[in-house]
Amino acid sequence: KAGVTQTPRYLIKTRGQQVTLSCSPISGHRSVSWYQQTPGQGLQFLFEYFSETQRNKGNFPGRFSGRQFSNSRSEMNVSTLELGDSALYLCASSDPGAYEQYFGPGTRLTVT
Amino acid sequence: AQKVTQAQTEISVVEKEDVTLDCVYETRDTTYYLFWYKQPPSGELVFLIRRNSFDEQNEISGRYSWNFQKSTSSFNFTITASQVVDSAVYFCALSEAQNYGQNFVFGPGTRLSVLP
Repeated sequence: KAGVTQTPRYLIKTRGQQVTLSCSPISGHRSVSWYQQTPGQGLQFLFEYFSETQRNKGNFPGRFSGRQFSNSRSEMNVSTLELGDSALYLCASSDPGAYEQYFGPGTRLTVT
Repeated sequence: AQKVTQAQTEISVVEKEDVTLDCVYETRDTTYYLFWYKQPPSGELVFLIRRNSFDEQNEISGRYSWNFQKSTSSFNFTITASQVVDSAVYFCALSEAQNYGQNFVFGPGTRLSVLP
């Protein structure tokens, strides 16, 4: 099976812009989660989607949003970018009934 | 509230030495899941193991072994006869059943350097 894929792999944006990141889960996986990784805060949970519904949400401002499509692919959007949003954004998927998550390679976002 | 502590920020060992990475967790849920992930320099998190709260059996997989002790809320990871390829950042993580087991809380990670 192909692994979790994320596009784009690298992105440079300017403060105030918005950005959309994409994630394709492992075939058959219906849960998709997003995490932000920074040197200062480590790995932090953003949100999780299952069957097109947000089931869990982390402690991030409303500028961070996401959605999931009927084919389980997911997107996350960050509006009004701030310098502090520079991070590695990781997407993970999991099999129904299992709990381990399988991670994609991440999208490295740089905000200037 | 969930919390994962990895007290060792960085560890350096010489190849073939054994090394143990510590993980201590906090949770109020009675059903929870513990994980170890490896993040090599390439950046992708690699799943190593999952342990359910109701299963305290230790596990061995090749050179890797895990010791889960509910009494001390610890889930330690030992690499036997370490190799240079084991150099990476290792994360311990916790999820609770009340969040469908999908809201992972990660520890800060332990950077392991294995020197030849």
